[in-house]
Parts: sequence; C-alpha cells; structure tokens
Amino acid sequence: DADVTQTPRNRITKTGKRIMLECSQTKGHDRMYWYRQDPGLGLRLIYYSFDVKDINKGEISDGYSVSRQAQAKFSLSLESAIPNQTALYFCATSDLGGSRNEQFFGPGTRLTVL
Amino acid sequence: AQSVTQPDIHITVSEGASLELRCNYSYGATPYLFWYVQSPGQGLQLLLKYFSGDTLVQGIKGFEAEFKRSQSSFNLRKPSVHWSDAAEYFCAVDNTNAGKSTFGDGTTLTVKP
Repeated sequence: DADVTQTPRNRITKTGKRIMLECSQTKGHDRMYWYRQDPGLGLRLIYYSFDVKDINKGEISDGYSVSRQAQAKFSLSLESAIPNQTALYFCATSDLGGSRNEQFFGPGTRLTVL
Repeated sequence: AQSVTQPDIHITVSEGASLELRCNYSYGATPYLFWYVQSPGQGLQLLLKYFSGDTLVQGIKGFEAEFKRSQSSFNLRKPSVHWSDAAEYFCAVDNTNAGKSTFGDGTTLTVKP
C-alpha cells in the first residue's frame, strides 16, 4: 500500500463549487504539506502543518483552506473554485528526524475547474 | 529568502550519453539540497540529498550530484542515460530545520533513441 494517498485522483468541478481534496499517510510523519503544480512553475506551497495543532500559510494560500484532522490526515479545501485553480495538487509529508526534511509525495490530484 | 534556479527548462540527450542538470540556489548558510524526479503521471520521488560532509553524493538510479559552495550549485549528473530516465527533475532547497522546501521550476528531460 502507498504511504501517502490522495483522493480523488481526478476531479472536474464547476466555478463556485466547494471542493475538498484529501490526503492520508501511514508514514507516521508529523509534517504535512499541500502544493500545487502548474506547467513551468514547479511546485508552490499552499499550506503546511508541523503537527495537528499547527497550520501555516504557504506562498499561495489565498482561495484555499486546510484542516488537519489527525496526524495522518490533512485536507485541502477550495471554498469557491475558480478556473485558475485548475492544476495538479500534491500532498507531501516529512519527518524532521532521520530523513532530514526529505519529503514524501502522494500521487497527485488533477483538478479541473470549468 | 531561499530560492532555486534551474536554468534549463528542457534538455534532450541521446540514450547512452552523459547528462548534467543544473541547479543554483540562493541561501546564506549551508542548505539542505535535494533532487527529485517526477515520471509522467506520478508524484515526486527523491533521487538524492545533501546535508553536509562529502560534497559528491550518490543517489538512486545511478544519479549523483555535487555540491559546490563557491558556485552555489548542486548539479545532477548521470554518466549514461537510459530511456527510462525521461522525466521532469526538480531541485529543492530547505532552510536548515525550517522544514519547508523551495522547489525550482523543473527541467524536463527527453531521451532520444
């Protein structure tokens, strides 16, 4: 089984709809991240969480919110989706300890907003 | 603020040829440096990382990278490219203990038969 899973893998929605992307991990890591990937722009950090009670904005948090329901679960919400939020979204985890901030990525969610 | 530059958007090499992908970073102290690979339709996978010590680091799939402090570079190399290496490659830098990586824009590698 994959260590970091994302659901759904693909989603098509309409402008103005609320949508939630979910991420679960079995790695036991405290840190979780949400990124979006756009062609030619690499990965940009949306939100990150260093533990269940810690939520931090990344560089492009406007229009997004997150919820850290448990150590293993970190959800990303688009309150009112707009077309320029069409992108590939990745969840990642890391552990400050032995793996020294190496990040482990989920397979991604491809979101299309019409 | 930390930043990462990958000067080459797209590189094409012939199978069996050598490869070097460039990465330059901007950060005052010694950073944590990473190279990730993203195959089509997949998430990112770590190839190798540098934290300290020997400046030449070995990774998976036959890749290596060299940290050069004087040039603020962390270039990725492979002596002989295989068709399966076609993918997008990302360099990333992490402020020590900040737990946040900044990613470059990526380099897409095409491998010619």
